[in-house]
Amino acid sequence: GAVVSQHPSRVICKSGTSVKIECRSLDFQATTMFWYRQFPKKSLMLMATSNEGSKATYEQGVEKDKFLINHASLTLSTLTVTSAHPEDSSFYICSGRGSSGSEQYFGPGTRLTVT
Amino acid sequence: QQQVKQSPQSLIVQKGGISIINCAYENTAFDYFPWYQQFPGKGPALLIAIRPDVSEKKEGRFTISFNKSAKQFSLHIMDSQPGDSATYFCAASKKVNYGGSQGNLIFGKGTKLSVKP
Repeated sequence: GAVVSQHPSRVICKSGTSVKIECRSLDFQATTMFWYRQFPKKSLMLMATSNEGSKATYEQGVEKDKFLINHASLTLSTLTVTSAHPEDSSFYICSGRGSSGSEQYFGPGTRLTVT
Repeated sequence: QQQVKQSPQSLIVQKGGISIINCAYENTAFDYFPWYQQFPGKGPALLIAIRPDVSEKKEGRFTISFNKSAKQFSLHIMDSQPGDSATYFCAASKKVNYGGSQGNLIFGKGTKLSVKP
C-alpha cells in the first residue's frame, strides 16, 4: 500500500502554546487529506477534510480557528493546534487519498500531550 | 446515529482458529467497504477492501464476505496467529465525488482481537 508519514510521532507542549503536525504522502499524490483524532480504545473521529489548494472542511463541533489545517501541496498537509490545552491531548492521525480511487492510507499518528 | 455497526467489541481466539468480525451498515449509497488493522500506538493500516459488486474477496488469510441484501459484511481471519492481535475497524464510504464530502470513511467502533498461543 501507499505510504504516509507524520512528524513528529510524539510531542509534549505547554498549555497555551501551539504545535504543528506534518503529514506527507511519500509515494503518491494525495488529492484529499483527512485529519482524525482518536481517544484511547475508541474509534477514529474525523476532524476535517482538505483538498489540495482549498480550504479545509471541518466536521461539526471542530473549531477551525483552533485546529488550523493547510494542504498546500499534493504531498503535504499540516495541522496546527493553536493555544493548546490539556483537553487537546490525544492521538492525531492523518490519511491521504489519491485521485484514482477510494483507498485512504493512514499515517502512523502523532501523540500530543499538553501539560 | 451510527451508520456502521461492528461486533463483537472484543474477541479471543486460539492460535490456528478462525476470527470473524461482523459489520452492518444502513446507507445503501455506500459502495466501498475497507477493513483496517491497528496496533497500539500506530495508525490504521488498510488490510483488505471490497465493493458491492462481489460477494467475497480473499487476500492470503484474510477474507471479506459481503451480503448486499442484508447490508452486512464480515472479515474472516483464517489460521489466526498471535501477531494478528490488534484492533480491527470496518468502514464504509460513498462513491468519491471530488470537491465534495462524498467518500469520507464512516468507521465502526472497532474490535479488539486477541489470539492466544
